Amino acid sequence: NAGVTQTPKFRVLKTGQSMTLLCAQDMNHEYMYWYRQDPGMGLRLIHYSVGEGTTAKGEVPDGYNVSRLKKQNFLLGLESAAPSQTSVYFCASSYGQTFNQPQHFGDGTRLSIL
Amino acid sequence: AQSVTQLGSHVSVSEGALVLLRCNYSSSVPPYLFWYVQYPNQGLQLLLKYTSAATLVKGINGFEAEFKKSETSFHLTKPSAHMSDAAEYFCAVSNQAGTALIFGKGTTLSVSS
Repeated sequence: NAGVTQTPKFRVLKTGQSMTLLCAQDMNHEYMYWYRQDPGMGLRLIHYSVGEGTTAKGEVPDGYNVSRLKKQNFLLGLESAAPSQTSVYFCASSYGQTFNQPQHFGDGTRLSIL
Repeated sequence: AQSVTQLGSHVSVSEGALVLLRCNYSSSVPPYLFWYVQYPNQGLQLLLKYTSAATLVKGINGFEAEFKKSETSFHLTKPSAHMSDAAEYFCAVSNQAGTALIFGKGTTLSVSS
């Protein structure tokens, strides 16, 4: 079982460059999430989606865009990368609402912006 | 608004000793609480969850947590630590809409032999 797969696993960018992080899940989950993890900060929600074609802002959405054109994929875009976006990015998915449905996480994308 | 606070960013125990990781929550409604574990260079894995069915919740790998409404706490315990328990642990609470989890800042558990 693949579960949640994130691509790429590592990336180094220069300030101002753009890139897209891909998240794919094979569990037929409705909900998908993008988080960033920084030392001492825990995980902070960037954007999330409650179904195909829907997206919503989380706690720290500035500088990021997302798309959910297919149920199994959730893309995170950085239009003009900044050093403050250096982080580890995690994608997660869940069958339904977070009241009683656990989130399943990918292994992360480590992004450095110089 | 919902929030969780993890007390202690780093906890060190000896192998075989009791593990106690502290989490306090703030919620205006009955909370849905979770503990996740993160091993190095991996994503988070669910340890256990509280959804009001029982105050003592048993999870994987011998961990359990007790929901105490009077203390607004959901502390994670394990009677006897193993070296393999060394990891980072996150407490989380669901937001009111059920659309996101709000995570604490994490506690790193170190286990020495």
